Amino acid sequence: DTAVSQTPKYLVTQMGNDKSIKCEQNLGHDTMYWYKQDSKKFLKIMFSYNNKELIINETVPNRFSPKSPDKAHLNLHINSLELGDSAVYFCASSREADPEGRGYTFGSGTRLTVV
Amino acid sequence: KQEVTQIPAALSVPEGENLVLNCSFTDSAIYNLQWFRQDPGKGLTSLLLIQSSQREQTSGRLNASLDKSSGRSTLYIAASQPGDSATYLCAVRPGNTGKLIFGQGTTLQVKP
Repeated sequence: DTAVSQTPKYLVTQMGNDKSIKCEQNLGHDTMYWYKQDSKKFLKIMFSYNNKELIINETVPNRFSPKSPDKAHLNLHINSLELGDSAVYFCASSREADPEGRGYTFGSGTRLTVV
Repeated sequence: KQEVTQIPAALSVPEGENLVLNCSFTDSAIYNLQWFRQDPGKGLTSLLLIQSSQREQTSGRLNASLDKSSGRSTLYIAASQPGDSATYLCAVRPGNTGKLIFGQGTTLQVKP
């Protein structure tokens, strides 16, 4: 199946821990993103990578570090987790140039709970 | 700065009704606009995408329109069904960047 796959689906961890979320897309897209959905269900972009290069970093704390080993993968590492990091994190991908109007494809989300 | 607003925040209708969800944006310089559906605890499913040069797109019972000059898009759902119950999200891709800017969504409940 062509898709955006992210793991794990659920992550429960204690404050101060370090955790990673992985994302992979097999759609041949050249751009990948991380979005955060807060408790009010509002979605906001965190990072964007185009062909492994960081192009958007939206005032996210330095504790969050994305890594893109190749254009099909974009992982998110979070250091020193805080209670306020609890949210659903979505990975997504698209084409930078999108003349056919295919748009974004989102993963199914990772629900992070910090206790 | 682009801002996206969706009205109403919540909507409850009886099955069979036709309904309209509204989305407005502040900057008309957009690349495209995409409507998504999100079921509780699930990811986002793309419904329709309208390019900046287009006026509308249709898929089954769904029709989305775009009026860039007035900064508005509508999602029309015909003959609503209980299975349409979900949160509907409007997202704008600005012209100079690949990111999406989302509205806060309209939560729809269709009662049998």
